[in-house]
Amino acid sequence: KQEVTQIPAALSVPEGENLVLNCSFTDSAIYNLQWFRQDPGKGLTSLLLIQSSQREQTSGRLNASLDKSSGRSTLYIAASQPGDSATYLCAVGGMYNFNKFYFGSGTKLNVKP
Amino acid sequence: EPEVTQTPSHQVTQMGQEVILRCVPISNHLYFYWYRQILGQKVEFLVSFYNNEISEKSEIFDDQFSVERPDGSNFTLKIRSTKLEDSAMYFCASSGGALWGYTFGSGTRLTVV
Repeated sequence: KQEVTQIPAALSVPEGENLVLNCSFTDSAIYNLQWFRQDPGKGLTSLLLIQSSQREQTSGRLNASLDKSSGRSTLYIAASQPGDSATYLCAVGGMYNFNKFYFGSGTKLNVKP
Repeated sequence: EPEVTQTPSHQVTQMGQEVILRCVPISNHLYFYWYRQILGQKVEFLVSFYNNEISEKSEIFDDQFSVERPDGSNFTLKIRSTKLEDSAMYFCASSGGALWGYTFGSGTRLTVV
């Protein structure tokens, strides 16, 4: 069974810092990986989707990379802002089973003004 | 941008009562899902639905749960006899396929008292 781990569990940084969130998964036979943002008590907002054949995806200040062979993905946030404060979730879709995603526990980010 | 819509946003029910959680997926999507998140825990898969039938379900999705697409636009999750441990945020998601990832709704917070 796929296990997804996110490190760190929580992170507090001053505004303007560049930061990296980490996601690791145990089974490298994945179809894709998706990063989500979750605000307290709210739904999941998709940030970036990386297919298994891709190495990275970029959207604005966000860059996600994927190293399938080592079972790792990183989400890089440039020039962090207080509005980036949220929990960031990594979810992995199986190669042979697109029917479900496996989620990590998330990294709770606090960007201080 | 197309959205997945969930209603109600919050439902309180007495133990043993039946509840129906409603979702309107994105109109041209073919794959539909229910996930749940117990407070402080990971988002976990419940069920996937494709071509008018369940394609996969988790161990959690026992006989107390059922899903339906009654009219070609709505997608519902029914819990027949709620338990205290069913209290969670329930998320509906839809997808056009693996290349497009998931779009999640904003969730229904179910509180069983």
